[in-house]
Amino acid sequence: DTGVSQDPRHKITKRGQNVTFRCDPISEHNRLYWYRQTLGQGPEFLTYFQNEAQLEKSRLLSDRFSAERPKGSFSTLEIQRTEQGDSAMYLCASSTLSGGPYEQYFGPGTRLTVT
Amino acid sequence: AQSVTQLGSHVSVSEGALVLLRCNYSSSVPPYLFWYVQYPNQGLQLLLKYTSAATLVKGINGFEAEFKKSETSFHLTKPSAHMSDAAEYFCAVTGRDDKIIFGKGTRLHILP
Repeated sequence: DTGVSQDPRHKITKRGQNVTFRCDPISEHNRLYWYRQTLGQGPEFLTYFQNEAQLEKSRLLSDRFSAERPKGSFSTLEIQRTEQGDSAMYLCASSTLSGGPYEQYFGPGTRLTVT
Repeated sequence: AQSVTQLGSHVSVSEGALVLLRCNYSSSVPPYLFWYVQYPNQGLQLLLKYTSAATLVKGINGFEAEFKKSETSFHLTKPSAHMSDAAEYFCAVTGRDDKIIFGKGTRLHILP
């Protein structure tokens, strides 16, 4: 069990550019979640997958955001035409359906800075 | 719908003193409750969780929390603070949809 990993850990981009983040969950976990955390706030739910199916999206997830989880393994979160308001820590978590309650294991996060 | 309110965005305690971080929740269904800790530039680590079994829950690093339904509270305590406990702490709740709702967090400062 190597834990949840995220790449990159830090990303600085200019406004208007596209960025993509990757999350590798714990290998046997079939649920994967994305959260966004801004300074001084708790994480806010963005979306989650069960295997390859995206089951729910928050209204925080504007049309500029898209997430995928091909083959039910790793996931990517893409932000198009970044804005300064997108600057935040993006956290990924994974969990397993078996043996609830569903405890989510978090990765170290990707910190995005939009200049 | 679920929500969490953490009382106090910053709490300072002396090393060796009692730690008490307050959390009140709102939930339309019997909740699952969690406390997470976050160190600077790191992800969240689960301290403990309430799963509708014992109301007094023991977690890692000497922390514990008590679920009080009548008060809709889930306060986090530790008898004796260590310098290494300085971090941000998040109370969280989930219903049956597995979506975690976090509080805004409490930053714990340990005074030497």
